[in-house]
Amino acid sequence: DARVTQTPRDKVTEMGQEVTMRCQPILGHNTVFWYRQTMMQGLELLAYFRNRAPLDDSGMPKDRFSAEMPDATLATLKIQPSEPRDSAVYFCASGVGLAGVADTQYFGPGTRLTVL
Amino acid sequence: AQSVTQLDSHVSVSEGTPVLLRCNYSSSYSPSLFWYVQHPNKGLQLLLKYTSAATLVKGINGFEAEFKKSETSFHLTKPSAHMSDAAEYFCVVSDLSGTYKYIFGTGTRLKVLA
Repeated sequence: DARVTQTPRDKVTEMGQEVTMRCQPILGHNTVFWYRQTMMQGLELLAYFRNRAPLDDSGMPKDRFSAEMPDATLATLKIQPSEPRDSAVYFCASGVGLAGVADTQYFGPGTRLTVL
Repeated sequence: AQSVTQLDSHVSVSEGTPVLLRCNYSSSYSPSLFWYVQHPNKGLQLLLKYTSAATLVKGINGFEAEFKKSETSFHLTKPSAHMSDAAEYFCVVSDLSGTYKYIFGTGTRLKVLA
């Protein structure tokens, strides 16, 4: 049963610290999405990769957030320095990414981040 | 531009009674539409998707949705609610302008009463 995995599942940190969240997309998927979910804003798209290249990161605060795909099996989202307003659940999703077709996204279980 | 509106933020039903969660969309293109479910402290799970094949789409756990172009609707239904259906449900339209990004509705929280 292929699934998107995310680590860590929970992270508590102090303001100013660096946070790294990791995602392993489903093997063979070539699109990866990072979302943030909060009660106030709902689900927000932070970044979107296709074939490891960033296609859209307009939803991400550029001064403190960065997203990368070092290889096809790993996507990372970093926050440096973290702030209390970054507290949220961060989801990764992956898709097959067929050209010209609306992709079905498969979501990971999320990383719950709390910044004190 | 695509958009999606979930008409109810909260729905309560009794166990064993039908479920109706309403979703209207706006799209300049022939849309691809999805319903996802999110149980507490879990990720989003795909229930079903419409991609211009049959207008009545059957999904997992007894859910189905009907695409009605004339009404620009894609309502989610289930004949008989189960306690385990209590969750948040998201209607999603896929941006077909080239990016294929998801555009999420604001969610409907379903409560199932014993």
